[in-house]
Amino acid sequence: KNEVEQSPQNLTAQEGEFITINCSYSVGISALHWLQQHPGGGIVSLFMLSSGKKKHGRLIATINIQEKHSSLHITASHPRDSAVYICAVGGRETSGSRLTFGEGTQLTVNP
Amino acid sequence: DTGVSQNPRHKITKRGQNVTFRCDPISEHNRLYWYRQTLGQGPEFLTYFQNEAQLEKSRLLSDRFSAERPKGSFSTLEIQRTEQGDSAMYLCASSWLGPSTGELFFGEGSRLTVL
Repeated sequence: KNEVEQSPQNLTAQEGEFITINCSYSVGISALHWLQQHPGGGIVSLFMLSSGKKKHGRLIATINIQEKHSSLHITASHPRDSAVYICAVGGRETSGSRLTFGEGTQLTVNP
Repeated sequence: DTGVSQNPRHKITKRGQNVTFRCDPISEHNRLYWYRQTLGQGPEFLTYFQNEAQLEKSRLLSDRFSAERPKGSFSTLEIQRTEQGDSAMYLCASSWLGPSTGELFFGEGSRLTVL
């Protein structure tokens, strides 16, 4: 069992739909990151959170520390949201110096 | 500041050759990380520097791999006697504090193909 698991692995949506990507982890953490990776490789940090909820534009990230679970929501999805979304954790039971990544969720938003 | 820069973006080499990748982090960042990513997988940690000190190395980093950050600024990752299994995207990231406390900024990556 991987330390960080994401679901679903692949997600196809129609433009305008509300999207949820889930992340579960099995280690103690001090922070969880949501990252976006476009074709060609570049990774962009979307959120870093250790509790509660954060919002940036149409993106919302939540985390439940007790349940070791986080969700990334995209409201009013758009084709430009198509990318791989990666959950990564950093914290106490892994080295505090590095992240452990999930395998990513490939999101495709069709017009 | 233009962000984290990696060179070259693509490298094709024959098995047995040596390759070197360079990463220029965001200038005020004291931490620099190297990750490797293969197709369809999330990135895997390779090594990490705080200033010029290499503080941690993954077991993935065999003795054919060496990384340096000589002046605490740019870093190089060298792979000697490349093997086909080394084909991957090599990602560099930097932060001001650790990833448990500081946001990570990634470069565009250096894609290695070993023939």
